[in-house]
Amino acid sequence: KQEVTQIPAALSVPEGENLVLNCSFTDSAIYNLQWFRQDPGKGLTSLLLIQSSQREQTSGRLNASLDKSSGRSTLYIAASQPGDSATYLCAVKYPETSGSRLTFGEGTQLTVNP
Amino acid sequence: DAGVIQSPRHEVTEMGQEVTLRCKPISGHDYLFWYRQTMMRGLELLIYFNNNVPIDDSGMPEDRFSAKMPNASFSTLKIQPSEPRDSAVYFCASSFPGEYETQYFGPGTRLLVL
Repeated sequence: KQEVTQIPAALSVPEGENLVLNCSFTDSAIYNLQWFRQDPGKGLTSLLLIQSSQREQTSGRLNASLDKSSGRSTLYIAASQPGDSATYLCAVKYPETSGSRLTFGEGTQLTVNP
Repeated sequence: DAGVIQSPRHEVTEMGQEVTLRCKPISGHDYLFWYRQTMMRGLELLIYFNNNVPIDDSGMPEDRFSAKMPNASFSTLKIQPSEPRDSAVYFCASSFPGEYETQYFGPGTRLLVL
């Protein structure tokens, strides 16, 4: 069964800290992996997408890495700000046999305290 | 583009009533997804369409749920009859296929069945 797990479920840090969110997946034969952000009462916003052939993607203060062999991805947030407070979800897409289905983790709820 | 549009944003109904959720995908996107999010089960894919054709409805919980996509710019998710356990946030998302496909989510419909 293809499962995606995110640890920790919740994280609280002071403003300015660098932090890492973790995502693990049971089946390493992925097509791509995405990190999403969800603000309270809102939909999901895609932050970064990493293809299976890539090792990392960067956007501003965000860096996502992918290690297929170990079934892990990390989202690194540099110099965290209160505006980064949200729930972060990772989602995995498997090859075409599963169509366009994404398998989501349960998310990490991040709070950045001023 | 206005993004993915969902209506209504909030719906409160009584058990046994019919509920219809609506979605307008981003113009030019030919994939449309319906998700359900609850605290207990996280984000679950219910069904998705490609070029208005249902591709995978294995996530639809039971026959009380049905989805249609009569044209490229409109989709509905119907629950009849509704039950309290259907209370959740229902998201619609759309995407354009390609190497860097990203799903764009609507703001969601928060459904409460009393």
